[in-house]
Amino acid sequence: QVQLVESGGGLVKPGGSLRLSCAASGFTFSDYYMSWIRQAPGKGLEWVSYISSSGSTIYYADSVKGRFTISRDNAKNSLYLQMNSLRAEDTAVYYCATGYSPAFDIWGQGTMVTVSS
Amino acid sequence: EIVMTQSPATLSVSPGERATLSCRASQSVSSNLAWYQQKPGQAPRLLIYGASTRATGIPARFSGSGSGTEFTLTISSLQSEDFAVYYCQQYNNWPPNTFGQGTKLEIK
Repeated sequence: QVQLVESGGGLVKPGGSLRLSCAASGFTFSDYYMSWIRQAPGKGLEWVSYISSSGSTIYYADSVKGRFTISRDNAKNSLYLQMNSLRAEDTAVYYCATGYSPAFDIWGQGTMVTVSS
Repeated sequence: EIVMTQSPATLSVSPGERATLSCRASQSVSSNLAWYQQKPGQAPRLLIYGASTRATGIPARFSGSGSGTEFTLTISSLQSEDFAVYYCQQYNNWPPNTFGQGTKLEIK
């Protein structure tokens, strides 16, 4: 069964840090690009970051560039998002996603990140 | 950055009727356009990619059309489970992948 499971969300103060994880199963993780996509409460979807299957190519949205770091461990079938200097506007459900098609076929259930004092 | 604009923001349709949702790109995205369905508390689900190709397991009542800057998602005969929020997304010019702001399909 193809599955992505995020973890690591929680409540953090402005300026703080958090590391999200995404565990993959049911497919050959090392063959697939991965992305993080977030959704603020009651709002739409915002792409956050991309990493290629080997980890050699990485992109970030301007809103998180310089503060967030995406990485992966293909031996552990895991994706990560290190989030530093968190702001209130980073409050959102964070999804990891990938695809067989060029679009995002596979999504995790999401993990909530709340940035508040 | 390509801006995706969806209309209308909310669409009220009766079960069994047809729903037509629109998505416009600020510049051409060729056919590199996807549609997603999202229900409350759930992750988005891919419906259509390549503007008109249904994803695996998606019922035939969902169809996509368009190319360039104008796209349409049509649901031919609405079922109760189809009432949700729908997003379009372009993956032609990225990063960033950009999503529309969503159309809420509600029961009339």
